[in-house]
Amino acid sequence: IAGITQAPTSQILAAGRRMTLRCTQDMRHNAMYWYRQDLGLGLRLIHYSNTAGTTGKGEVPDGYSVSRANTDDFPLTLASAVPSQTSVYFCASSPGSNEQFFGPGTRLTVL
Amino acid sequence: AQKVTQAQTEISVVEKEDVTLDCVYETRDTTYYLFWYKQPPSGELVFLIRRNSFDEQNEISGRYSWNFQKSTSSFNFTITASQVVDSAVYFCALSEAFGANSKLTFGKGITLSVRP
Repeated sequence: IAGITQAPTSQILAAGRRMTLRCTQDMRHNAMYWYRQDLGLGLRLIHYSNTAGTTGKGEVPDGYSVSRANTDDFPLTLASAVPSQTSVYFCASSPGSNEQFFGPGTRLTVL
Repeated sequence: AQKVTQAQTEISVVEKEDVTLDCVYETRDTTYYLFWYKQPPSGELVFLIRRNSFDEQNEISGRYSWNFQKSTSSFNFTITASQVVDSAVYFCALSEAFGANSKLTFGKGITLSVRP
């Protein structure tokens, strides 16, 4: 693993199903972030974690939850997916220098 | 609250033209950071530049240059002699003070199309 990986690359999901998007980094960065990207809206912060064991809400947290059990992993869970959660999801990490390193993204479609 | 405005949504130019992408920001912080990211058609986000609020020097990197003006709260990005490979969505972003709380606030992005 080099940098940040996200899985799956893409997913089609039925509404009401539970889904976890995975994010793993091997750079030992303390801070991690989840953004969603929607056409015409740019990227918006969903949740973040400043360090393992802590999480916080971003601009659009409703319908999503996160956990940060260790430094490397920061999964994002949709407990009951809805069509409005159709988006491209980006995970990012930062060593605390304000520069964020982004994963390749997960394209999620909720039908 | 922080806000980033990219008023231009789509720009189309012919190869070798110069093009400027505008970015205006709002923040109450005295210390902050500004960024530009490029998102090519392949979808990944590519970091281009970071500036802190104390450094108003313009920066040039090859065909790319950035003009930071605190007086107008702007951080504009110019591509000189544009090329087809410059076609992408460009995002300007703002983050608050240094440290783990460096959450990014993005503008809505500018889609740049460079025609041969």
